[in-house]
Amino acid sequence: ETGVTQSPTHLIKTRGQQVTLRCSSQSGHNTVSWYQQALGQGPQFIFQYYREEENGRGNFPPRFSGLQFPNYSSELNVNALELDDSALYLCASSLIGDRGSEQYFGPGTRLTVT
Amino acid sequence: AQRVTQPEKLLSVFKGAPVELKCNYSYSGSPELFWYVQYSRQRLQLLLRHISRESIKGFTADLNKGETSFHLKKPFAQEEDSAMYYCALTNTGNQFYFGTGTSLTVIP
Repeated sequence: ETGVTQSPTHLIKTRGQQVTLRCSSQSGHNTVSWYQQALGQGPQFIFQYYREEENGRGNFPPRFSGLQFPNYSSELNVNALELDDSALYLCASSLIGDRGSEQYFGPGTRLTVT
Repeated sequence: AQRVTQPEKLLSVFKGAPVELKCNYSYSGSPELFWYVQYSRQRLQLLLRHISRESIKGFTADLNKGETSFHLKKPFAQEEDSAMYYCALTNTGNQFYFGTGTSLTVIP
């Protein structure tokens, strides 16, 4: 059984650019959630994907979008980057069906927007 | 609106002393509550969840619907309990809300 992995570990982008972050779910998990964690804050829910469709969304603008692939890997895309997008981005995989399901978190991608 | 409030950003206790990390929530329905923990240089992981009614590493949490609280408690703190603790809730399992976290330091 493999854990949740994310890539890249760090990256630096310029305001206005676009970025793609990647996540590989834990083996056997069919659901992935993405979070933004600003410095000193808790994780903020961006969205969740299940069966390659967006299954729930937090209070984030449409320039935050995602994809989930048949192998349950996932991408988070952010267009028109703003300085406030600088944060740690976490993905978490789980098994849908039980709202008490444990989420397994990846190590995160640290995004810096200059 | 769903909100999870952890009033203490920092909490220090002596080893062997009782510890309580506070969590209050606002939600009009019947949420599911969790505590997640992040130890130094490790990733965020589940500590316990209300639905399981379990005790993990000596920690327990009781859901008080009247006070809308889900405080985390341990009778005797250990040095290895030093970590960042996050309270979280979900409604239907497809949206999650985390508190801002409490950093617990257990003093030897």
